[in-house]
Amino acid sequence: AQSVAQPEDQVNVAEGNPLTVKCTYSVSGNPYLFWYVQYPNRGLQFLLKYITGDNLVKGSYGFEAEFNKSQTSFHLKKPSALVSDSALYFCAVRVLPRDDKIIFGKGTRLHILP
Amino acid sequence: DAGVIQSPRHEVTEMGQEVTLRCKPISGHNSLFWYRQTMMRGLELLIYFNNNVPIDDSGMPEDRFSAKMPNASFSTLKIQPSEPRDSAVYFCASSLAFGESYEQYFGPGTRLTVT
Repeated sequence: AQSVAQPEDQVNVAEGNPLTVKCTYSVSGNPYLFWYVQYPNRGLQFLLKYITGDNLVKGSYGFEAEFNKSQTSFHLKKPSALVSDSALYFCAVRVLPRDDKIIFGKGTRLHILP
Repeated sequence: DAGVIQSPRHEVTEMGQEVTLRCKPISGHNSLFWYRQTMMRGLELLIYFNNNVPIDDSGMPEDRFSAKMPNASFSTLKIQPSEPRDSAVYFCASSLAFGESYEQYFGPGTRLTVT
């Protein structure tokens, strides 16, 4: 079965420090992977995606993610956290090559401490 | 582009009443998704359409829920009759399933409260 896991419910990081939000996946075939962010009382916003090519993907707001096929991971990273990065982050994986449906993880709440 | 548009933004209704949520996808997108988000259950896919045709409605909780997409620029999610456990934020999202796209773009959501 296709699935995506975010092992941490919450991550706390001091402002200015690097941050990592973890994601692992399980799919049949080649994965299409996504990260989304949700600010309070807002819809989910697309951050970045991996379809093919370079394993390091750069996205919005200075975020990047590294695709690791051997570890089936797609961790979200940022070199220097801002207080404004505090939000709920979702990892997602596309189910099948011909299926538009994507599966979302349960989300990780990121707290950036001033 | 105005993005995905949802209406109303907030809806408060009494148990037993009919509720209709509306969505206008991004122009040119060919897939539309309805999600529900609650603290307890997280983000759940209810149904999705491709080229106005329902493809997967396995997430629709029960017969009280129905969704339609009469044309490429409009979709509705109806709950009849509504129950307190339907209280949640309902999101609509759209995507262009072509090439290396597929990312979904979400609307601001409709916060539904059923008393």
